[in-house]
Amino acid sequence: AQKITQTQPGMFVQEKEAVTLDCTYDTSDPSYGLFWYKQPSSGEMIFLIYQGSYDQQNATEGRYSLNFQKARKSANLVISASQLGDSAMYFCAMPSAGKSTFGDGTTLTVKP
Amino acid sequence: EAGVTQFPSHSVIEKGQTVTLRCDPISGHDNLYWYRRVMGKEIKFLLHFVKESKQDESGMPNNRFLAERTGGTYSTLKVQPAELEDSGVYFCASSQGVSHYNEQFFGPGTRLTVL
Repeated sequence: AQKITQTQPGMFVQEKEAVTLDCTYDTSDPSYGLFWYKQPSSGEMIFLIYQGSYDQQNATEGRYSLNFQKARKSANLVISASQLGDSAMYFCAMPSAGKSTFGDGTTLTVKP
Repeated sequence: EAGVTQFPSHSVIEKGQTVTLRCDPISGHDNLYWYRRVMGKEIKFLLHFVKESKQDESGMPNNRFLAERTGGTYSTLKVQPAELEDSGVYFCASSQGVSHYNEQFFGPGTRLTVL
């Protein structure tokens, strides 16, 4: 069974600074992937970034990047140059046979 | 291309009543999932359809919940009778495949409040 752990219930960051949201995982799948989603106050789930376990490089998507450390089983999300609109809940998730397991989420608040 | 849609966006019902949630997946996506987030806790898997068949319903909490996907297109999730602890946000998602790299596209969710 998959397990996703997000140890930071809440995080604060100053506007324009970078922030790292932690995610550790446990899986017995030899090949796997990790997704990060953003859930703003409006409620929808927005896909941010994906990292495959056999990807040679850490994933990047605009201001989002993944600090993927396979040996440590961590896939931390880095948001650079934070914006007020980044304030939201962030979830790390891992699918297995379709079914996704989510972490508890981290609420990020960007301060002006 | 339209994304995953869910109806209604909000539902407020009294304990003991019935509610039916609907999900329309992205056209062509055989895989449809239901998840829910209750009381601000983590998002939990409920079940997975492949076309009209239930592939995995291990997350369904009890027999008050009934999911259907007749014809393999849209899906409904009925809660009957609703209890207070059913309050939460119900998400539907769809994907083309079930590989670990297949993105699950989420709908906007239905916020259910049981009074």
